[in-house]
Amino acid sequence: ILNVEQSPQSLHVQEGDSTNFTCSFPSSNFYALHWYRWETAKSPEALFVMTLNGDEKKKGRISATLNTKEGYSYLYIKGSQPEDSATYLCATGGGNKLTFGTGTQLKVEL
Amino acid sequence: EAGVTQFPSHSVIEKGQTVTLRCDPISGHDNLYWYRRVMGKEIKFLLHFVKESKQDESGMPNNRFLAERTGGTYSTLKVQPAELEDSGVYFCASSQLGGETQYFGPGTRLLVL
Repeated sequence: ILNVEQSPQSLHVQEGDSTNFTCSFPSSNFYALHWYRWETAKSPEALFVMTLNGDEKKKGRISATLNTKEGYSYLYIKGSQPEDSATYLCATGGGNKLTFGTGTQLKVEL
Repeated sequence: EAGVTQFPSHSVIEKGQTVTLRCDPISGHDNLYWYRRVMGKEIKFLLHFVKESKQDESGMPNNRFLAERTGGTYSTLKVQPAELEDSGVYFCASSQLGGETQYFGPGTRLLVL
């Protein structure tokens, strides 16, 4: 992996479904992994910053895990709600520039 | 606490014109960053200020882009002359010295016709 890659590109789920998406990144020279939630026309909202292999973070119904050795992070949303509809961005780096993936666009339908 | 603010929220200009974008970081944040998202692609780094000094400007596309942060508070990003490929969303972010989290503004949507 040379760049930060996210999959899937987009996702449609029903209200109440649990879902997850993936961020893959170069495992060499790793510093930190960031997850952001972005609704169009609003500021990207910082969800998590993770630095250690095996890190797990949780915020309400959203949680994330980190594997720095194999270069991936998962974001999980439990019991999706329509207000979870947004683009979820991951990025590597810290202290200086962030390198972003293209995002996973989540749509939660009633 | 007020977040990062950006002005204007939208700008539509013609090719060849000049546009200046402004970013006000969170008070007390010495780090200030500019990023750009071209439609359908990832958000890309443009440059990083620490106080009034340019720490890293490796992402600036060419010399039509000029960023300043006089006094180490707000920053401006000027595009002169604008080209069609400059269209996109320009984000500003700020963080504390030594801080890991960058806090983003809502962006300025620039359309060059």
